[in-house]
Amino acid sequence: GAVVSQHPSWVICKSGTSVKIECRSLDFQATTMFWYRQFPKQSLMLMATSNEGSKATYEQGVEKDKFLINHASLTLSTLTVTSAHPEDSSFYICSADTDRESVLTFGAGSRLTVL
Amino acid sequence: DAKTTQPPSMDCAEGRAANLPCNHSTISGNEYVYWYRQIHSQGPQYIIHGLKNNETNEMASLIITEDRKSSTLILPHATLRDTAVYYCIVRVGFGRALNFGKGTSLLVTP
Repeated sequence: GAVVSQHPSWVICKSGTSVKIECRSLDFQATTMFWYRQFPKQSLMLMATSNEGSKATYEQGVEKDKFLINHASLTLSTLTVTSAHPEDSSFYICSADTDRESVLTFGAGSRLTVL
Repeated sequence: DAKTTQPPSMDCAEGRAANLPCNHSTISGNEYVYWYRQIHSQGPQYIIHGLKNNETNEMASLIITEDRKSSTLILPHATLRDTAVYYCIVRVGFGRALNFGKGTSLLVTP
């Protein structure tokens, strides 16, 4: 089946530093990938839609200059949290559309803790 | 995409069937019903989806009412590992994100 791999699975960083999270589709090509974040005891919130070769589309309230998304190939999208602060601590999850009747496959998530 | 309504929580005894309801009264004709679940601190896992007909796979069955305004996910023999938050989502199709509601927190007890 379709597999989406995220790396790292968890990361701890100091306030003010930048962190990059990778999302790879391992056995299929993903024209579109989606980035979500999830705070404790809350549901997943869509952050942005990432399209290969073009600029990402951000949801209202998500700062595009803070959450940089790059989708340079059909199998890789990256999310960079720039100048991270403690309030950015969250569970970040990516997903990709497979060609199997539009089933979205999700990565295992990346837990970011900003000290 | 149409909104869905699910009970916030449910309990089920291990080995019994878990029936999780979902209302989607504003669903349109080209929207599919998708079910995902999220086990604590993991990414969501696809379970099943359907358009009009009932569907069954190795994980679950999906029963969609004739008017498509509601559906039920059935886990035929729940195990402790089925304890998770279950999300019912309606979505048009390819290239669109899934919009997650609050889901149903299912607790399977021994």
